[in-house]
Amino acid sequence: DIQMTQSPSSLSASVGDRVTITCQASQDIKNSLNWYQQKPGKAPKLVIYDVSDLQTGVPSRFSGSGSGTEFTFTISSLQPEDIATYYCQQYDDLPITFGQGTRLEIQ
Amino acid sequence: QVQLQESGPGLVKPSETLSLTCTISGGSIGSGGYYWSWIRQHPGKGLEWIGYIYYYGSTYYNPSLMSRFTISIDTSKNQFSLKLTSVTAADTAVYYCARWEMASTTFDYWGPGTRVTVSS
Repeated sequence: DIQMTQSPSSLSASVGDRVTITCQASQDIKNSLNWYQQKPGKAPKLVIYDVSDLQTGVPSRFSGSGSGTEFTFTISSLQPEDIATYYCQQYDDLPITFGQGTRLEIQ
Repeated sequence: QVQLQESGPGLVKPSETLSLTCTISGGSIGSGGYYWSWIRQHPGKGLEWIGYIYYYGSTYYNPSLMSRFTISIDTSKNQFSLKLTSVTAADTAVYYCARWEMASTTFDYWGPGTRVTVSS
């Protein structure tokens, strides 16, 4: 299985801060990476697909980059409604695997 | 707007079989281009992909899990299902059904999730 490792596991930041989460794959997954946002008690919601494409309706303060084994998810200016846990997910090979998640909190 | 809704028992006894159903509305489960998936989340933990089924019945399961899972589909009812045999406390989790869209290679629609507790 391809292991996806996110860092940090949790992050505390202030409104307006730039926030960055990294996701490392255990092998080259090319550009086969998505990011999901999960708010407490809710199902995950797609935010970014194919590394850097913004899902329809998602604010432009969200962005993604990377390729191969190293990927980055960025919120350019943190808003209170962005408080959630974020997961990366690879689909280069089965089984589909997710990172362990990064919990984002407001400072 | 496609919607998915899980249903099933919230409490299952150890060693019993868990059966969950996902009902799709706003779209047809029988149309190609999608894999119908089950994903679970242990309390306070991350997401674990269980497997998926295509509309004509082909399946793929996560080989990292014990082979206790069975996914089936009923296109006449616009539903697909998950069975898990010989449950233990380690199967306590929120179970989500989700649609994997082949074109976008994403889980684009999810059910709200159903919480399952394994306890005597």
